[in-house]
Amino acid sequence: EAGVVQSPRYKIIEKKQPVAFWCNPISGHNTLYWYLQNLGQGPELLIRYENEEAVDDSQLPKDRFSAERLKGVDSTLKIQPAELGDSAVYLCASSPRTGIDEQFFGPGTRLTVL
Amino acid sequence: QKEVEQNSGPLSVPEGAIASLNCTYSDRGSQSFFWYRQYSGKSPELIMSIYSNGDKEDGRFTAQLNKASQYVSLLIRDSQPSDSATYLCAVNPQAGTALIFGKGTTLSVSS
Repeated sequence: EAGVVQSPRYKIIEKKQPVAFWCNPISGHNTLYWYLQNLGQGPELLIRYENEEAVDDSQLPKDRFSAERLKGVDSTLKIQPAELGDSAVYLCASSPRTGIDEQFFGPGTRLTVL
Repeated sequence: QKEVEQNSGPLSVPEGAIASLNCTYSDRGSQSFFWYRQYSGKSPELIMSIYSNGDKEDGRFTAQLNKASQYVSLLIRDSQPSDSATYLCAVNPQAGTALIFGKGTTLSVSS
């Protein structure tokens, strides 16, 4: 079974530029999460999707971050404009369905904002 | 504010010893508990899940849960240098919601 796929793996941009991250969850997994992980910290939730519906986006900085999960499969997370403090690893995770709490992470995208 | 606390370490143990990693959580109603292993530069990898009080064993790993004390631990027997990593404790305060992670404990196993 293929795992969670993310791209790109690394991204370097200058501040104020836009950036987008893509995630393809494990086949058949209805729940998708985007987490942010800073160095020395645990992952922190940005947004959670049940199928195509964003059911928890309370931690997403909506002034600059947006996300979508069209058709309830792939998801894209966008930052516009990026700030220096956005430098971090952006992790996508998925779980089979609501109520199944085990989450499986993709390799992450390491973002550096200069 | 729901919190998960871990000692950041580093925890250093010799090869073959038992490594004991501890975690406390603030939400008494939490239902499920997980341990993830994260190698440097890699993403978290699920190694153990536990849902009820007591011990759960899987190979060299044993997870222990005490809901009354709001405490969960991970024991690694016969530690190997390949076990050197950061171990993240994660708690789900409510079924179907996102995990709350601790900051992780760095384990170093010396040969």
